[in-house]
Amino acid sequence: NAGVTQTPKFQVLKTGQSMTLQCAQDMNHNSMYWYRQDPGMGLRLIYYSASEGTTDKGEVPNGYNVSRLNKREFSLRLESAAPSQTSVYFCALRGNTEAFFGQGTRLTVV
Amino acid sequence: KQEVTQIPAALSVPEGENLVLNCSFTDSAIYNLQWFRQDPGKGLTSLLLIQSSQREQTSGRLNASLDKSSGRSTLYIAASQPGDSATYLCAGRFSGNTGKLIFGQGTTLQVKP
Repeated sequence: NAGVTQTPKFQVLKTGQSMTLQCAQDMNHNSMYWYRQDPGMGLRLIYYSASEGTTDKGEVPNGYNVSRLNKREFSLRLESAAPSQTSVYFCALRGNTEAFFGQGTRLTVV
Repeated sequence: KQEVTQIPAALSVPEGENLVLNCSFTDSAIYNLQWFRQDPGKGLTSLLLIQSSQREQTSGRLNASLDKSSGRSTLYIAASQPGDSATYLCAGRFSGNTGKLIFGQGTTLQVKP
């Protein structure tokens, strides 16, 4: 999935710890998204950003914050991680028509 | 509420068989529908995208169709191979939805040699 880079790829956190998931693109698209993927639940939208400096809540925003300081980067922050946030997180872009996804961050909260 | 559904959740076929994966959606005001492939532990790879003005798209052995009136899309895989084994996801982008994708839960395909 060239063009969308997520870091880290794997992370284990203890309950209550904080961390930031990073997403960077080199495709020059305005719209960026954070999804989480859970077994039996499919992919659900956490937050999205239509352009630099703007963000909006998606379907499951509780427990998360986001930051879109420039066009290239969109970060997702967990201020106080909970076991319910154990999931695979995907960053995505939307071009004129098609969506592009990063390789995902596999997060485990113990 | 806009919903996307994929049935069945899992499918197992012998190599060489032609097969159809189903995707249904509740809102006929669909802007486009995208099919993805996901291998275990990996990200999503875009396979085909169908605009609302189109009825089908083809790429190699894959053909995707879209019928807005019935709220259905199908992904046809011809002459299936073991390498086609993966989870296939469909996702709809709906008008007035700021570009968000609504995903089905996926169909996990196993092609047996």
